[in-house]
Amino acid sequence: SQQGEEDPQALSIQEGENATMNCSYKTSINNLQWYRQNSGRGLVHLILIRSNEREKHSGRLRVTLDTSKKSSSLLITASRAADTASYFCATDEGDYKLSFGAGTTVTVRA
Amino acid sequence: EAQVTQNPRYLITVTGKKLTVTCSQNMNHEYMSWYRQDPGLGLRQIYYSMNVEVTDKGDVPEGYKVSRKEKRNFPLILESPSPNQTSLYFCASSARTETYEQYFGPGTRLTVT
Repeated sequence: SQQGEEDPQALSIQEGENATMNCSYKTSINNLQWYRQNSGRGLVHLILIRSNEREKHSGRLRVTLDTSKKSSSLLITASRAADTASYFCATDEGDYKLSFGAGTTVTVRA
Repeated sequence: EAQVTQNPRYLITVTGKKLTVTCSQNMNHEYMSWYRQDPGLGLRQIYYSMNVEVTDKGDVPEGYKVSRKEKRNFPLILESPSPNQTSLYFCASSARTETYEQYFGPGTRLTVT
């Protein structure tokens, strides 16, 4: 089942701006992961946040998790052209299956 | 280099002609999984395997088979492909840790005519 729903579907920003995307899900989770996919290629793991964490940072990435609202956000600061990609959230419900959303396509304009 | 490889990368075939997409990982991961990606639908899990000889259905298993005879390999078999199986397929693997972050292969683009 498709658990995560990303919003917006697409985002276009200027280089140097921040990009924020959101993920909502329906059931309890163990953790939530964010992945990046460059056009037509395999997904790459970016960051993971556990259900008992509220915020996590990794380089220019900041992830928040609100389990009461069943939502997460991914912030990319000071975006670069190389950040142009699709971003997916994936929820782990504890049954060894990751459920992915449909993704947010981010375009960073030079 | 740690990686997940898939073959072939591109395949055009006809309805009903059995095919196998291979997947291999060199990280000694216990967990392996197959996904298909279709526009607007994100990734949907087809089958997964927790270890050798242990496989289970994902969300869209109909029309697919898998086997896990060796730890490193997890082939996806389409016994009688149909046009609705035209898709981009990804294999992934992860260590069986608490969080099992997944490593993805480069993808196989399959067209069934």
